[in-house]
Amino acid sequence: GAVVSQHPSWVICKSGTSVKIECRSLDFQATTMFWYRQFPKQSLMLMATSNEGSKATYEQGVEKDKFLINHASLTLSTLTVTSAHPEDSSFYICSASEGLGNEQFFGPGTRLTVL
Amino acid sequence: AQSVTQPDIHITVSEGASLELRCNYSYGATPYLFWYVQSPGQGLQLLLKYFSGDTLVQGIKGFEAEFKRSQSSFNLRKPSVHWSDAAEYFCAVYTDSWGKFQFGAGTQVVVTP
Repeated sequence: GAVVSQHPSWVICKSGTSVKIECRSLDFQATTMFWYRQFPKQSLMLMATSNEGSKATYEQGVEKDKFLINHASLTLSTLTVTSAHPEDSSFYICSASEGLGNEQFFGPGTRLTVL
Repeated sequence: AQSVTQPDIHITVSEGASLELRCNYSYGATPYLFWYVQSPGQGLQLLLKYFSGDTLVQGIKGFEAEFKRSQSSFNLRKPSVHWSDAAEYFCAVYTDSWGKFQFGAGTQVVVTP
């Protein structure tokens, strides 16, 4: 089946720094990638949808200047948490699909801890 | 409003017993339906999905789910639970018009000896 990887799997950073998380589709071209956030013992919350070569579409309440998403190629999307604060600590999961209407494949997630 | 409901937040089941997890949705048309499993600190693994056709869907790890249009439900079942089935289970819904997934709140399954 299709494989999606995320890097890093976990990261600890100081408050005020920026952190970049990568999401890669390893064996297919991902026209669309999704970024989710998951708080402990809660469901996944969609943050944004990104299509290769265009700007991401953010969900209501998600700060686009804080969570920068770049989808520069068909196999790579990045999420940069800018000026991270402890409240940004969370589990971030990406998913990728070959296009809207196609099945999404989920990455293993990235645990971000901001001190 | 569109919604996905998993009524049971937490279920405890004995090893070897049967398991049923409930999922109800509220959408204008029949959406695409999915069940995912998540182990602690891990990503999501697809158990099964329903797009169309036979309403009883077989998945991995011995799981199956039945789509019932009249009840707007897509319940997940397993006849005999193994200790390794202890995890968080999410029902998810996707529609072409919406273009994205909506997840239920999840059901935590605990398996006792």
